[in-house]
Amino acid sequence: GAGVSQSPSNKVTEKGKDVELRCDPISGHTALYWYRQSLGQGLEFLIYFQGNSAPDKSGLPSDRFSAERTGGSVSTLTIQRTQQEDSAVYLCASSFLSGRRGEQFFGPGTRLTVL
Amino acid sequence: GNSVTQMEGPVTLSEEAFLTINCTYTATGYPSLFWYVQYPGEGLQLLLKATKADDKGSNKGFEATYRKETTSFHLEKGSVQVSDSAVYFCALSSTYGGSQGNLIFGKGTKLSVKP
Repeated sequence: GAGVSQSPSNKVTEKGKDVELRCDPISGHTALYWYRQSLGQGLEFLIYFQGNSAPDKSGLPSDRFSAERTGGSVSTLTIQRTQQEDSAVYLCASSFLSGRRGEQFFGPGTRLTVL
Repeated sequence: GNSVTQMEGPVTLSEEAFLTINCTYTATGYPSLFWYVQYPGEGLQLLLKATKADDKGSNKGFEATYRKETTSFHLEKGSVQVSDSAVYFCALSSTYGGSQGNLIFGKGTKLSVKP
């Protein structure tokens, strides 16, 4: 079956612009996570959605970052007023089970470059 | 807080050599432990996992045992192949203290296997 998909695969933007990154999780997966992978910081958790519950935003690095999940499926990560330090690969993962036992399936990522 | 420490790379081995990548963790409660692998040009994929102390995860000839007494989850393979060349990430997941099961990753270890 189809895995987690993300779009775009690459995004180049100018400093100060807003960007939107999209994630389509595996059908039926109720848990959705966003992470980012950068050379300096490694892999970091950003935000978590589970069903209709309020998201866990504890990993978002600043208030320029936000995310939503519509209809319990597709998620969009928005970065406002992008900075050069936002350059990274943004990864989305989904899981059928929430919590520590749920295996997370990762998408291919969106490589964001802020000039 | 929860954290994962894994040996720095890169690691270069000859084909059929024995592989060990060390991983230790700090966590409150009873985390699940994972090894993820990222092959060149591909996304993160789960290699193996263990959800409780003394469990052994295994897959594709790789093994790791959850050692609570030493807070370790070292990855081993008896005979590596060129196709094992990739970046390996140790990770933990915990729902203790309000965490929602998001993964906390080590920095990654790049493995190169020469023929």
